[in-house]
Amino acid sequence: AQKITQTQPGMFVQEKEAVTLDCTYDTSDQSYGLFWYKQPSSGEMIFLIYQGSYDEQNATEGRYSLNFQKARKSANLVISASQLGDSAMYFCAMRERQYGNKLVFGAGTILRVKS
Amino acid sequence: ETGVTQSPTHLIKTRGQQVTLRCSSQSGHNTVSWYQQALGQGPQFIFQYYREEENGRGNFPPRFSGLQFPNYSSELNVNALELDDSALYLCASSGGDGETQYFGPGTRLLVL
Repeated sequence: AQKITQTQPGMFVQEKEAVTLDCTYDTSDQSYGLFWYKQPSSGEMIFLIYQGSYDEQNATEGRYSLNFQKARKSANLVISASQLGDSAMYFCAMRERQYGNKLVFGAGTILRVKS
Repeated sequence: ETGVTQSPTHLIKTRGQQVTLRCSSQSGHNTVSWYQQALGQGPQFIFQYYREEENGRGNFPPRFSGLQFPNYSSELNVNALELDDSALYLCASSGGDGETQYFGPGTRLLVL
């Protein structure tokens, strides 16, 4: 079974607007972590934000926030005030305690910011 | 920048050859994980090293092997290269179990 599902292959957003990238996950573990990474065309994976399964509040990091809905098993990334430099591939990933520090990634969503 | 470095940046090999990729972890990090990212896909976990010992392995054949050195830098070795080994190889370092992984710029391997 696919652990991480990103249903949006590609998204467009107008500069300065907000955008939500979807991520759903599947796990039987009670303790897990959810991550979002950004991958520009250069290839490097850039860590954006982390949400622990026991965290009661949604994580925020600057313009990034994670909309965590545990019952729905979703962890959507919200980018506010989009900038041209936000154009990249975005990956959602999960770490389950039972599998140590291994990250399982989704297929990614390409985001294009229009001026 | 994360402080994680990888070498070389690009590499071209022929089928059947062997290759060694290198990774230097971020200062203070003792755990290195390796991932393979085929074109158009998300990264796949190869294995992880913690304090010089293998600490978990993904669904990769034994011809993928690794090492971690006392300074926590790491090598990924791939023997008997196949065309499907063409990919971006990413190294990530972290401070230990449960810590966020920070990635290097990757090595692009092309097998002809």
